Amino acid sequence: DTGVSQNPRHKITKRGQNVTFRCDPISEHNRLYWYRQTLGQGPEFLTYFQNEAQLEKSRLLSDRFSAERPKGSFSTLEIQRTEQGDSAMYLCASSLAEGYEQYFGPGTRLTVT
Amino acid sequence: GQNIDQPTEMTATEGAIVQINCTYQTSGFNGLFWYQQHAGEAPTFLSYNVLDGLEEKGRFSSFLSRSKGYSYLLLKELQMKDSASYLCAVSPASGTYKYIFGTGTRLKVLA
Repeated sequence: DTGVSQNPRHKITKRGQNVTFRCDPISEHNRLYWYRQTLGQGPEFLTYFQNEAQLEKSRLLSDRFSAERPKGSFSTLEIQRTEQGDSAMYLCASSLAEGYEQYFGPGTRLTVT
Repeated sequence: GQNIDQPTEMTATEGAIVQINCTYQTSGFNGLFWYQQHAGEAPTFLSYNVLDGLEEKGRFSSFLSRSKGYSYLLLKELQMKDSASYLCAVSPASGTYKYIFGTGTRLKVLA
């Protein structure tokens, strides 16, 4: 069990560029979650998947954000036309379908200049 | 609305006991979680309460009162490595497994 992994760990991009992050959950976990965390705040829910189905999406997620989990394993989060306000830590977590505990990855820190 | 409140910062001395409180108001309740997060790292799971009462796990205990919308995390025999943020999170309803997090309590343990 290697835990939840995320790539890249850090990303610096210029405003207006598109970025894509990847999350590999714990292999037997059916549910996958994306959160965003800014300094001094708790994680903020963005979206989650059960297998390949996206079951819930936060109203905070603008149409510039899209997430996929095409084969029910890894997931990608894409942000189009990045803005400075997108600068944050993007956390991925996974859990068993019938379990409650979420296991978090190390996060991808995005800086938009 | 959904609201979770925790103190922003706390300071305690090595070897002491500290209690971190969390109050919540959510549209439903399907469990409360405590996570520890060191600076720049991912949150790691500490405890889970879904029924009223105390759950003990080594130096850490967590208490829940659903009627009061209240929980606390108790840390005993504090160590320097316990300096971290402690996040209270609520799963608001069955059928959705997202968490709603509080802003976290930054605990500083002094020698």
